[in-house]
Amino acid sequence: ELKVEQNPLFLSMQEGKNYTIYCNYSTTSDRLYWYRQDPGKSLESLFVLLSNGAVKQEGRLMASLDTKARLSTLHITAAVHDLSATYFCAVDIWRDDKIIFGKGTRLHILP
Amino acid sequence: SQTIHQWPATLVQPVGSPLSLECTVEGTSNPNLYWYRQAAGRGLQLLFYSVGIGQISSEVPQNLSASRPQDRQFILSSKKLLLSDSGFYLCAWSISVWTYEQYFGPGTRLTVT
Repeated sequence: ELKVEQNPLFLSMQEGKNYTIYCNYSTTSDRLYWYRQDPGKSLESLFVLLSNGAVKQEGRLMASLDTKARLSTLHITAAVHDLSATYFCAVDIWRDDKIIFGKGTRLHILP
Repeated sequence: SQTIHQWPATLVQPVGSPLSLECTVEGTSNPNLYWYRQAAGRGLQLLFYSVGIGQISSEVPQNLSASRPQDRQFILSSKKLLLSDSGFYLCAWSISVWTYEQYFGPGTRLTVT
């Protein structure tokens, strides 16, 4: 059974600081997804990583995938308050028709 | 472009009452469809998914059911709601060509009183 673990589950940080959210998964896969959820809202797709070594960046967020380590990271550079949200990673196993989500990392950025 | 609709947006129902939530997708054909529930401050729980009309896979045994009467319509139902059914219900779709990336609807917030 595929398990997806995120850490930390909660992160409070100051504006301007850098930090990394980690996503570990238990079964071989080379497809990983990052989503953002604002309070009271639905999920929005951020990144789709489809191969070992894949790196994607948008603004102050950068995601990477190491399929050999079964690890993805979401790096936040010089955090700003607008990035406060819950971030979910998810992994799929091809032909399983679904993706498995981590529990989410609630990010609170203090002004 | 594709869009996904859910209704109602908000619902308050008494314990023991029935439930029907609807999800429709526009701009795509033969999508995979998913129902998730999110309890307050918690993660996502996959309830049901469907890869085609009339095909439903249940992930969690409970008092909920799902149906897919048309290609782009997915319905979540209950005959009798429980207090524990309260939560944020999200519908999502994907097209399994290269990935299973899912696109989420705006959600329905259900409060059972």
